[in-house]
Amino acid sequence: KQEVTQIPAALSVPEGENLVLNCSFTDSAIYNLQWFRQDPGKGLTSLLLIQSSQREQTSGRLNASLDKSSGRSTLYIAASQPGDSATYLCAVPYNNNDMRFGAGTRLTVKP
Amino acid sequence: NAGVMQNPRHLVRRRGQEARLRCSPMKGHSHVYWYRQLPEEGLKFMVYLQKENIIDESGMPKERFSAEFPKEGPSILRIQQVVRGDSAAYFCASSPRQLGETQYFGPGTRLLVL
Repeated sequence: KQEVTQIPAALSVPEGENLVLNCSFTDSAIYNLQWFRQDPGKGLTSLLLIQSSQREQTSGRLNASLDKSSGRSTLYIAASQPGDSATYLCAVPYNNNDMRFGAGTRLTVKP
Repeated sequence: NAGVMQNPRHLVRRRGQEARLRCSPMKGHSHVYWYRQLPEEGLKFMVYLQKENIIDESGMPKERFSAEFPKEGPSILRIQQVVRGDSAAYFCASSPRQLGETQYFGPGTRLLVL
């Protein structure tokens, strides 16, 4: 059974700091991992999709890494901005039909 | 190309009433997934449908909940005789084919049961 865990549950940093969000999964037989952003009361925005054959993906100030063997992924946010404040979710496919989500990390970037 | 559309965005129902949530997938997408997000929790898979077929409903409660994706029109998630515990955000996602590519999520329907 696939379980996805995210730590920390909440994180508050001053503007400009670099930060790392962690995601772990119990079943390493995944073929991709995805990071999403969710703003309060809104839907999900896909940030990065890492295929199992890849070790990392970059988009702007975001960098996501994947270590399948250890069941871990990290999302690195460089030079954080108040606009980055949101909940960040990681998800992996499971059973070919659905995605398993972590509970998310709620990030607050203070001006 | 419009994204995944869900309506209504907010729905208020009294206990015992029925709730109907609609999802129009992205153009060209024939796979639809419904997820539920309870307050302060992550998203949980409910059901996966293709046109006119339910492929996997293992995440959906056995009673009161049903889903369909007809040949024409949006996918519908139906909750009969709602209870307060049904209050949640319900998200729909679509993809052009089975999992392996990203799923595109709609804005969600927030259901409040009074």
